[in-house]
Amino acid sequence: NAGVTQTPKFRILKIGQSMTLQCAQDMNHNYMYWYRQDPGMGLKLIYYSVGAGITDKGEVPNGYNVSRSTTEDFPLRLELAAPSQTSVYFCASSPLLGAGELFFGEGSRLTVL
Amino acid sequence: GENVEQHPSTLSVQEGDSAVIKCTYSDSASNYFPWYKQELGKRPQLIIDIRSNVGEKKDQRIAVTLNKTAKHFSLHITETQPEDSAVYFCAPTDSWGKLQFGAGTQVVVTP
Repeated sequence: NAGVTQTPKFRILKIGQSMTLQCAQDMNHNYMYWYRQDPGMGLKLIYYSVGAGITDKGEVPNGYNVSRSTTEDFPLRLELAAPSQTSVYFCASSPLLGAGELFFGEGSRLTVL
Repeated sequence: GENVEQHPSTLSVQEGDSAVIKCTYSDSASNYFPWYKQELGKRPQLIIDIRSNVGEKKDQRIAVTLNKTAKHFSLHITETQPEDSAVYFCAPTDSWGKLQFGAGTQVVVTP
């Protein structure tokens, strides 16, 4: 059982470049999330989705976009990368909202130079 | 939005001793209170959670206690072992049911 799969695990971008972080889950969860974790800090919610076709902003959405065309996939798009977006990004999914475990991917470490 | 604070930010304990981490929150609508453990370079993983209608929950060496009136809940680890060394996050829900993570507590268990 794969759970939540994120790609790539590591990426270095130049300022102004764009990229997409991929996230897929095989647990048929309705709820999916993107978090970023800066060094020594907690996780901040970027975007989340309550089901296919429905997305909403979290705490720190600026500079990012998401889409949810299927239940399984929830890609995160970075447009015009900036050094402030250097972070570790975690995708997560859950069967319920606010009432059960979040299942996290292994994380994607992004550096913007 | 929800204001979540964890104390202490770092905690060093001797193997076999107990560790307690406290989490305070501001949203009175919070009704789900989990604790996550993150080992170095790994993903966060749920270790214990509690719902608002329960005051205490225990699972082997870990327990969580909730004081809804005072808006805080605590993680208790007894008989600490080296493998308990990690960062621990509380993540109470906000009014919309989304988890709001604290800044984390670095726990170091020394042999």
